[in-house]
Amino acid sequence: DTAVSQTPKYLVTQMGNDKSIKCEQNLGHDTMYWYKQDSKKFLKIMFSYNNKELIINETVPNRFSPKSPDKAHLNLHINSLELGDSAVYFCASSQRQGAKDFGPGTRLTVT
Amino acid sequence: TQLLEQSPQFLSIQEGENLTVYCNSSSVFSSLQWYRQEPGEGPVLLVTVVTGGEVKKLKRLTFQFGDARKDSSLHITAAQPGDTGLYLCAGTGPGGQNFVFGPGTRLSVLP
Repeated sequence: DTAVSQTPKYLVTQMGNDKSIKCEQNLGHDTMYWYKQDSKKFLKIMFSYNNKELIINETVPNRFSPKSPDKAHLNLHINSLELGDSAVYFCASSQRQGAKDFGPGTRLTVT
Repeated sequence: TQLLEQSPQFLSIQEGENLTVYCNSSSVFSSLQWYRQEPGEGPVLLVTVVTGGEVKKLKRLTFQFGDARKDSSLHITAAQPGDTGLYLCAGTGPGGQNFVFGPGTRLSVLP
């Protein structure tokens, strides 16, 4: 009965590689998000997406791209990984801009 | 850009003590939420407040939204080790746009 799930939980990879993180929600929410939490625990929005609109935080490098095959999934693809991409990435969902349900996070380590 | 500040940044107390953490902004929010995040997990919603002056109680936790809807407080009575975690406030701007997180208060309750 998991609400928001992410895979993988941990991801260790080398600089320059391309990787994807998957996210699924079974809450019927219309909006999904990706957040990045840095070492200081600050949560920063990367993308928000519903079936009509993708809103991109302008500070996010274009190496990051969200892909949504349907309204229950929002995957995050990252090209040419850099050391500074190391962080915990959280997927979340909500109904419109309401309260958000978060996934368990994906800890990405770039070596 | 709407910003949220939280204080204190860190708080370590003994079991049984009371505490208050604060969330402040110079901007008005249409609603404000409090989340708790435990290590290795995603943030979990505790409460949403929408009306200026509103007070909500969740067992030993009391949440208040400022009259001007620019600030909020979280008071915990008789803290327990299970209350340990990162407490995040998050606000939604007028019109339901510009959802932002504060930097969090890291609470440690010692037995």
